[in-house]
Amino acid sequence: NAGVTQTPKFRILKIGQSMTLQCTQDMNHNYMYWYRQDPGMGLKLIYYSVGAGITDKGEVPNGYNVSRSTTEDFPLRLELAAPSQTSVYFCASIVSPRTDTQYFGPGTRLTVL
Amino acid sequence: GDSVTQMEGPVTLSEEAFLTINCTYTATGYPSLFWYVQYPGEGLQLLLKATKADDKGSNKGFEATYRKETTSFHLEKGSVQVSDSAVYFCALSDRSTNAGKSTFGDGTTLTVKP
Repeated sequence: NAGVTQTPKFRILKIGQSMTLQCTQDMNHNYMYWYRQDPGMGLKLIYYSVGAGITDKGEVPNGYNVSRSTTEDFPLRLELAAPSQTSVYFCASIVSPRTDTQYFGPGTRLTVL
Repeated sequence: GDSVTQMEGPVTLSEEAFLTINCTYTATGYPSLFWYVQYPGEGLQLLLKATKADDKGSNKGFEATYRKETTSFHLEKGSVQVSDSAVYFCALSDRSTNAGKSTFGDGTTLTVKP
């Protein structure tokens, strides 16, 4: 059981470039989340999904897009990278709202120059 | 909306000292409360949780009690070790939303010196 995996671990982008952050979980969790963590700050929710084919905006969705075609995968897309998107990105999943506990991936550290 | 406020860090302690990290929350529903820990270069992992008022969560010598009357969930440990150095996040999950979303505090960095 690998849990939640994220790729890449690190990435440097130039302003205006695009990229996709990958997130995969092998626990058959329906609920998945994308967060960003800025230095010295807590986690801010970007997007979330309650099942395949269903996604919704979180607290800070601007500049990002997501899709959820399978239960396992929840990729996050940055279309036009900006310096304000420099952050560490975490993907997480839960079994159900009843159990609550979030399982996190190891994160992707993104720098936009 | 929901919010979580943690005591500001960083916190530096000597080994075997007593640890308290304060956490208070605001929620409209009946949240579950959590403490997560983040070691350098890693994602967050659950340290302990409590799902209803007066519940005590405990793990690895850490404890926290769900106090509804003071809307608090303070983290304590009687004797810290160097290996406890990490960032600690208080969080809540409002199960009434049916989306399982969690709200996190800003984190408190703990450094334990030998």
